[in-house]
Amino acid sequence: SAVISQKPSRDICQRGTSLTIQCQVDSQVTMMFWYRQQPGQSLTLIATANQGSEATYESGFVIDKFPISRPNLTFSTLTVSNMSPEDSSIYLCSVELGHTAKNIQYFGAGTRLSVL
Amino acid sequence: GNSVTQMEGPVTLSEEAFLTINCTYTATGYPSLFWYVQYPGEGLQLLLKATKADDKGSNKGFEATYRKETTSFHLEKGSVQVSDSAVYFCALIYTGRRALTFGSGTRLQVQP
Repeated sequence: SAVISQKPSRDICQRGTSLTIQCQVDSQVTMMFWYRQQPGQSLTLIATANQGSEATYESGFVIDKFPISRPNLTFSTLTVSNMSPEDSSIYLCSVELGHTAKNIQYFGAGTRLSVL
Repeated sequence: GNSVTQMEGPVTLSEEAFLTINCTYTATGYPSLFWYVQYPGEGLQLLLKATKADDKGSNKGFEATYRKETTSFHLEKGSVQVSDSAVYFCALIYTGRRALTFGSGTRLQVQP
């Protein structure tokens, strides 16, 4: 398994500001993912972040709104930019372990974001 | 497209009751199937998985069998406990993709 630390665990932000969420893993991983869980909803993939390449965004998510960095094999950040109340969600990072296409994903505890 | 459909919740059971949470999927190829659990205030934890037809995943008394003929992966437990109260997500990874596709989640409430 992997130990995944997300910071901050929660935050309350003002409309129009930005928040950067950090995801730290205790081992080197190739693939990291960022998901959003809106209140009472399931998880939706925002983007896939591979080290050394640009993040790949899902339909409905754009880099200007959710810029992602992946500077090395153990760390990634997701920024939620120019926030509005609709961005209030839990944001989770996950990592894939192993070297085959059907590996297990492990999740961080999430960042609970409230936008006023 | 590729998707997961779960029974709607909440599911409310008494302690020691039998649990079934239905999950069916639509996917090309041969997806891997998963059940994740989210306890109150926590992130997701992998509960069990199955990677090919007729595989049975099991963990903590929970079981699910990969049924390709019915495209199902129903979660079962013979005797639930209050500590099993959580939201359960069925998910898959389909051929050519590395990220998870989740169902809508089913909230389980177990009463003493």
